[in-house]
Amino acid sequence: KQEVTQIPAALSVPEGENLVLNCSFTDSAIYNLQWFRQDPGKGLTSLLLIQSSQREQTSGRLNASLDKSSGRSTLYIAASQPGDSATYLCAPSGGGADGLTFGKGTHLIIQP
Amino acid sequence: EAGVAQSPRYKIIEKRQSVAFWCNPISGHATLYWYQQILGQGPKLLIQFQNNGVVDDSQLPKDRFSAERLKGVDSTLKIQPAKLEDSAVYLCASRLVRGLGELFFGEGSRLTVL
Repeated sequence: KQEVTQIPAALSVPEGENLVLNCSFTDSAIYNLQWFRQDPGKGLTSLLLIQSSQREQTSGRLNASLDKSSGRSTLYIAASQPGDSATYLCAPSGGGADGLTFGKGTHLIIQP
Repeated sequence: EAGVAQSPRYKIIEKRQSVAFWCNPISGHATLYWYQQILGQGPKLLIQFQNNGVVDDSQLPKDRFSAERLKGVDSTLKIQPAKLEDSAVYLCASRLVRGLGELFFGEGSRLTVL
C-alpha cells in the first residue's frame, strides 16, 4: 500500500524567499506524480504533473523534481508571494493504486 | 473547457439521515473518482469508476456508502445512514485515461453531520 509523507507539515516565511517542499512515497512503481494546491474551502488545483520517465517539470515560478527510485519529489517555489499561501499536496499515481494517494500536505503561509 | 461540476456545495444533516452528492466530470473523461477529505487530512480515495464499471471500491464503507455511474458520465455518491464521522468534504475528480494523465478535481461538497 502506497504511503505518502510531506515535510514540513507547516511553513511560514516572509515574502520573496525561495522554498522547497518535500514529498516521499513508499512504493516507487508509479506512473506519475502530481502536485496540487488547495485554498481554504476549495477543491484541489493541479500545479504540475511529472511522468515517471521525467526528472523535473517547470511552470512559472514552480519547479518539481522526481527521483522515482528513491521515492522522493520536491516542489521548489521561487520568489514566494502572499498569494502562494495555501496547502500543497503531492500525490503519486500507481504503486498499487490506480488513483492518487495523498499525503497530509504542507500548509504554507507567506508573510507580506 | 468546463471543469468537474459538483453539487450541492454544502449540506447539513442530522445523524442517521441520508444524503446524496452529484458529480459531472469533464467531457470525455472515462475515469471518475470520489475522495473523502476530513479536516486537516489529505483526500482519501473512496471509489474509482472506469466508464460505468467500478475499478476500486476497497476503501468505501459499503454498509452505508454507495455510488453509481449508470451511463458512464454523471455519478452519484450516497450515504445512508450518516454518522458524525462522515463530516468531511467529498471531492469528485476525473481524468481522460485510467492511471495516466492529469487528474482534475471539482470544488467539493462539504457535509456536516450533527
